[in-house]
Amino acid sequence: DAGVTQSPTHLIKTRGQQVTLRCSPKSGHDTVSWYQQALGQGPQFIFQYYEEEERQRGNFPDRFSGHQFPNYSSELNVNALLLGDSALYLCASSRDSSFSTFGSGTRLTVV
Amino acid sequence: GESVGLHLPTLSVQEGDNSIINCAYSNSASDYFIWYKQESGKGPQFIIDIRSNMDKRQGQRVTVLLNKTVKHLSLQIAATQPGDSAVYFCAEIPNAGNMLTFGGGTRLMVKP
Repeated sequence: DAGVTQSPTHLIKTRGQQVTLRCSPKSGHDTVSWYQQALGQGPQFIFQYYEEEERQRGNFPDRFSGHQFPNYSSELNVNALLLGDSALYLCASSRDSSFSTFGSGTRLTVV
Repeated sequence: GESVGLHLPTLSVQEGDNSIINCAYSNSASDYFIWYKQESGKGPQFIIDIRSNMDKRQGQRVTVLLNKTVKHLSLQIAATQPGDSAVYFCAEIPNAGNMLTFGGGTRLMVKP
């Protein structure tokens, strides 16, 4: 049974560009959350998707947007990239009140 | 805003000893707490959880203690092994919503 899968694993973008990260949840999970983890810090909640709608959002600007598809997979989009957006982006999936299962993340470097 | 924090950024222990990782939280409304382990290049991995109506929960070689009076959470690892070397995060979930709030992490280093 595949867990949470994320793509790509690594990505380098130039400041000002746009990026799309992808996540497939664990089988049976219907809720997807995205987190940003800066080097040496704990993950910070970006937003959560359930039934194709954003259900909850953390303290991130509108440059960060997302989408959930009918098959529960999700995308995270970041526009107008800043150097400070360089981080590990983690996707986590869950169902009901189960604990979140994390993917291995996408390492984004903005140059 | 309220957040979860940790007392020690790095903990070094001898293989076979017991490890204790501490965490202080500030949101008294939190209902659910989780410990995650994160190895280099991987995402956080669930270790053990505890709800606010409990003060202790045991797993395989791990025990989580919750002291709501002082808002303190600890993770105890028995007979620490080299494979336990990682960064450990505590995370909390408020009773409204289910987003995880993580602390800054403690790096556990196990010396052979």
